[in-house]
Amino acid sequence: DGGITQSPKYLFRKEGQNVTLSCEQNLNHDAMYWYRQDPGQGLRLIYYSQIVNDFQKGDIAEGYSVSREKKESFPLTVTSAQKNPTAFYLCASSIAAGDYEQYFGPGTRLTVT
Amino acid sequence: GESVGLHLPTLSVQEGDNSIINCAYSNSASDYFIWYKQESGKGPQFIIDIRSNMDKRQGQRVTVLLNKTVKHLSLQIAATQPGDSAVYFCAENVRGGGTSYGKLTFGQGTILTVHP
Repeated sequence: DGGITQSPKYLFRKEGQNVTLSCEQNLNHDAMYWYRQDPGQGLRLIYYSQIVNDFQKGDIAEGYSVSREKKESFPLTVTSAQKNPTAFYLCASSIAAGDYEQYFGPGTRLTVT
Repeated sequence: GESVGLHLPTLSVQEGDNSIINCAYSNSASDYFIWYKQESGKGPQFIIDIRSNMDKRQGQRVTVLLNKTVKHLSLQIAATQPGDSAVYFCAENVRGGGTSYGKLTFGQGTILTVHP
C-alpha cells in the first residue's frame, strides 16, 4: 500500500522544547516538501528537497530544520526559535520538483503550550 | 473565489446541483495548476490538474477551466454530493526564484458545503 505516512497524528510539547515530526514515503519520489497550515488559511511552504542530501528553504523556514539522508524520509524539526509553532503540519512528495502532482500525508497537529 | 486575506470564501449548494469554485492566481508565468480537496483534519487530496497550454480539462464529475488572459482558474463539480463537502484549494506552479522547476503556491481555499 503506497503512500506517505506522518507520525504522530497529534503531538503536544512544552514551549522551549525542540520536536521532530516524521515523514516517510514509499512512492520512490525524489522530491519532498513540508508545509504549515493555520486555521482558515492555505498551505505555506517551510522546506523542500529536490533530491536526497539536498534541501532548500521555503517561504517560512525560520525556526525549522530538516534533513534528507534517505530518499524515503524527510523529518522536520520545530525548534524553540519558532515563535508560533502550534499548527497543522503537512508533508508531501512528488515524482520530481516542479510541475508535478504532490501527494500529501495525513498531517500532524502540533500543539505547543 | 480565493484571494489573499483572512476570510475564507464559502459556497453552499444543494445536493445534485453543479458547483463552481473560482480562483484568481497571481503569476502570469505560472505554467501548471492543481486543484486539491481537503476534508477536516486530513491532508489535501489531488482532484485535477491542468497545464498552461490547455484551456479545459475534464475528469470524473469535475472540470477545470483556465483563462490565462485574466489569470483565472475554476473548478466545476457536476451533480454535487454531500461527500464533496470540504475545503478546495487551487495551487499554481510559479517558476523563478532561482530555481528552474518552480514550486507550488497555494491559495487560501474555498469552503464547499453540500446540503442534502
